[in-house]
Amino acid sequence: AQSVTQLDSQVPVFEEAPVELRCNYSSSVSVYLFWYVQYPNQGLQLLLKYLSGSTLVKGINGFEAEFNKSQTSFHLRKPSVHISDTAEYFCAVLTSGNTPLVFGKGTRLSVIA
Amino acid sequence: EAGVVQSPRYKIIEKKQPVAFWCNPISGHNTLYWYRQNLGQGPELLIRYENEEAVDDSQLPKDRFSAERLKGVDSTLKIQPAELGDSAVYLCASSFGLTNTEAFFGQGTRLTVV
Repeated sequence: AQSVTQLDSQVPVFEEAPVELRCNYSSSVSVYLFWYVQYPNQGLQLLLKYLSGSTLVKGINGFEAEFNKSQTSFHLRKPSVHISDTAEYFCAVLTSGNTPLVFGKGTRLSVIA
Repeated sequence: EAGVVQSPRYKIIEKKQPVAFWCNPISGHNTLYWYRQNLGQGPELLIRYENEEAVDDSQLPKDRFSAERLKGVDSTLKIQPAELGDSAVYLCASSFGLTNTEAFFGQGTRLTVV
């Protein structure tokens, strides 16, 4: 069965600094990978997804992620964060076939002015 | 286009009482999910429907939880009786097609059992 590990539960960063949120997955078959963002008291919103093709994926709000099959990673990056990026970020994996999304435990990004 | 709609947004009940949550998925989405999100955790699947059929309910505590999706559109998740440990956010999501490449989430129902 697939699983997702988000290595950092909390990441504080100063405004306009770069940030990387780490995600590693475990699966014996091909995967689709996702990053979702959850603002306080809200549902989950898709930031970006990797299905196939280019390993560098660009998403909304200036975020991007790179799929690395050899390292089984899908780290999320942003070159310059804003206060409004403060939220919980979830990495999720989906295997090919009729399976549901499996989520990591989340990383709380706190942007400090 | 309307997104996934859930109600209520918040619910506070005493333990041993019943509670129900309602979800209206995006129009045309045949797959519907109920996830539970405990505080500080990622969402965990409770049940997944393909149209009106429950295709994955292995994580649903069937002694107290039940769900239905009549006519393959709206869905209701029920807990009876509720326990203190059921306090969580219950998220509904929907997607189109069997490959399920992207799920759209509602805002969730925050349940507090006291």
